[in-house]
Amino acid sequence: NAGVMQNPRHLVRRRGQEARLRCSPMKGHSHVYWYRQLPEEGLKFMVYLQKENIIDESGMPKERFSAEFPKEGPSILRIQQVVRGDSAAYFCASSDREGTRGYEQYFGPGTRLTVT
Amino acid sequence: GNSVTQMEGPVTLSEEAFLTINCTYTATGYPSLFWYVQYPGEGLQLLLKATKADDKGSNKGFEATYRKETTSFHLEKGSVQVSDSAVYFCALSYGGSNYKLTFGKGTLLTVNP
Repeated sequence: NAGVMQNPRHLVRRRGQEARLRCSPMKGHSHVYWYRQLPEEGLKFMVYLQKENIIDESGMPKERFSAEFPKEGPSILRIQQVVRGDSAAYFCASSDREGTRGYEQYFGPGTRLTVT
Repeated sequence: GNSVTQMEGPVTLSEEAFLTINCTYTATGYPSLFWYVQYPGEGLQLLLKATKADDKGSNKGFEATYRKETTSFHLEKGSVQVSDSAVYFCALSYGGSNYKLTFGKGTLLTVNP
């Protein structure tokens, strides 16, 4: 039973390029969450999606960042025109229902983005 | 806003030593509290949780008690093993948006044989 898959595990981009991070939730899970961990910081919530819907994007930077979770395929976190400050570890989690009370979020291994 | 402060690492212990990793939180009301563990190269896994004051979460020999009076949720284990070497994260969720986890910075634990 595969867990949450993220790819790539490591991604290097030059300033101004686009970064696409993919997350395949656990089988049967329809809720996806993205978190970002900046150096020396804890994980910070970015966005919560269900299939074809963004439920809460209050943690997403207002510009250059977008996320989707289409009916078919993985969830994508897209960062346009990357800057050095975007260098971080990006973690995806999934659950079979909303919330954390009793409904555990299962995390992927993360994608480490380095912007040069 | 909500926040979590946990013990700075790294922590290095010998096998069978006693472990404490301190965690305190700031939140209005009564959050749910969690400890997550991340083994090298893997995603975060839920280790234990407590959803109300005085609850004790426990799993794999680890324990933590939800202390409202001291706003703390310290992680303890009586006898650590080499296989416990990992990064440990304290986290909380709260209120209507209880899917949002707020994490501490993580504590790296290394257990030597």
